[in-house]
Amino acid sequence: AQTVTQSQPEMSVQEAETVTLSCTYDTSESDYYLFWYKQPPSRQMILVIRQEAYKQQNATENRFSVNFQKAAKSFSLKISDSQRGDAAMYFCAYRSETSDDKIIFGKGTRLHILP
Amino acid sequence: EPEVTQTPSHQVTQMGQEVILRCVPISNHLYFYWYRQILGQKVEFLVSFYNNEISEKSEIFDDQFSVERPDGSNFTLKIRSTKLEDSAMYFCASTLGRTTSYEQYFGPGTRLTVT
Repeated sequence: AQTVTQSQPEMSVQEAETVTLSCTYDTSESDYYLFWYKQPPSRQMILVIRQEAYKQQNATENRFSVNFQKAAKSFSLKISDSQRGDAAMYFCAYRSETSDDKIIFGKGTRLHILP
Repeated sequence: EPEVTQTPSHQVTQMGQEVILRCVPISNHLYFYWYRQILGQKVEFLVSFYNNEISEKSEIFDDQFSVERPDGSNFTLKIRSTKLEDSAMYFCASTLGRTTSYEQYFGPGTRLTVT
């Protein structure tokens, strides 16, 4: 069975600085997708960035980028130039390309933005 | 932008009572999901629903749980006889298609407290 592990329950970063959130996963599949979701307080969980396992190039979305290490089964999220609106719970997630459509989540990392 | 909505935002119920959590998926979406997150734990898949029937369910989704799309717009999760361990945040999600090229859109969640 696939698992996703986020070892940092909480992180803090000063505004305008860069922060990296860690995620590792375990799977025996070769085709899958990885995601980072953001959940602001009392708001919907929204997709921040996705990575296809077959792509070697790391995904980037504006200030958000990932470091995808397939062999190490590591998928970290880097947030550059942190802003107050980045304060949220961040979930790392996995989805099989072939077997089913459910998403497997980690426990989440709560990110605090310090003034 | 269309959003998945959920009501109520917080539901308190006594052990043994029935509870219905409601979701309004995005209007043209075809696949629907329920996930839950017990406090401090991972977000876990409960059930997926398509074409008025369950596509997949987890081992958590036992006979006490049922889902329904009663009127073409609402998608409900019923817990027949709530237990203390059902206390969790319940998230509804919907998507247009089943493959990973289609994003699952999440609602803001319903916090269920069983006393």
